[in-house]
Amino acid sequence: ETGVTQSPTHLIKTRGQQVTLRCSSQSGHNTVSWYQQALGQGPQFIFQYYREEENGRGNFPPRFSGLQFPNYSSELNVNALELDDSALYLCASSPIGRLNEQFFGPGTRLTVL
Amino acid sequence: AQSVTQLDSQVPVFEEAPVELRCNYSSSVSVYLFWYVQYPNQGLQLLLKYLSGSTLVESINGFEAEFNKSQTSFHLRKPSVHISDTAEYFCAVSDLRNYGQNFVFGPGTRLSVLP
Repeated sequence: ETGVTQSPTHLIKTRGQQVTLRCSSQSGHNTVSWYQQALGQGPQFIFQYYREEENGRGNFPPRFSGLQFPNYSSELNVNALELDDSALYLCASSPIGRLNEQFFGPGTRLTVL
Repeated sequence: AQSVTQLDSQVPVFEEAPVELRCNYSSSVSVYLFWYVQYPNQGLQLLLKYLSGSTLVESINGFEAEFNKSQTSFHLRKPSVHISDTAEYFCAVSDLRNYGQNFVFGPGTRLSVLP
């Protein structure tokens, strides 16, 4: 059984650009959540997707958007990048019927210059 | 809304000594409680969780945590730490009224085990 994978591992962008981060859920998982972890802080909930629809959102502006695909993989898109968007972005998937369990990927380190 | 406080940002401890990492939470509803560990340049790994039942929960690598409802705490303990326990530890709460979308993490405690 493969775990949660994320790509790319590292990414450097400039202010104003757009970025897409990808996540492949663990087999048998149908819910995916995205988190932003700034340096020295705990993860902050961005949003969650279930059955290809957004199922909850944290305190992030609309320029943070996402998609979930029929195979339960997911994308996080961020438009108009700002310097404060520099962070580790974590994807977590949950097994069917077990939303109290979240399995995290290794994250994508985004640096905005 | 929930919040999580981890009172110690850094905890240095010598190898084979006991350690306690403190976690307090605030919530108006019942919550589930979790401890996650993050090794350098890696994602978060679930260490242990409290969902219901016995208030003392244990992990496979010797950590334990006790849910104290009256003190709204979920402190993490280990009687004897190893160098390999050096990592960042995050306490989290989840309000499952919203189907798991309300995982709230604390700011983390960096545990440094010294030889």
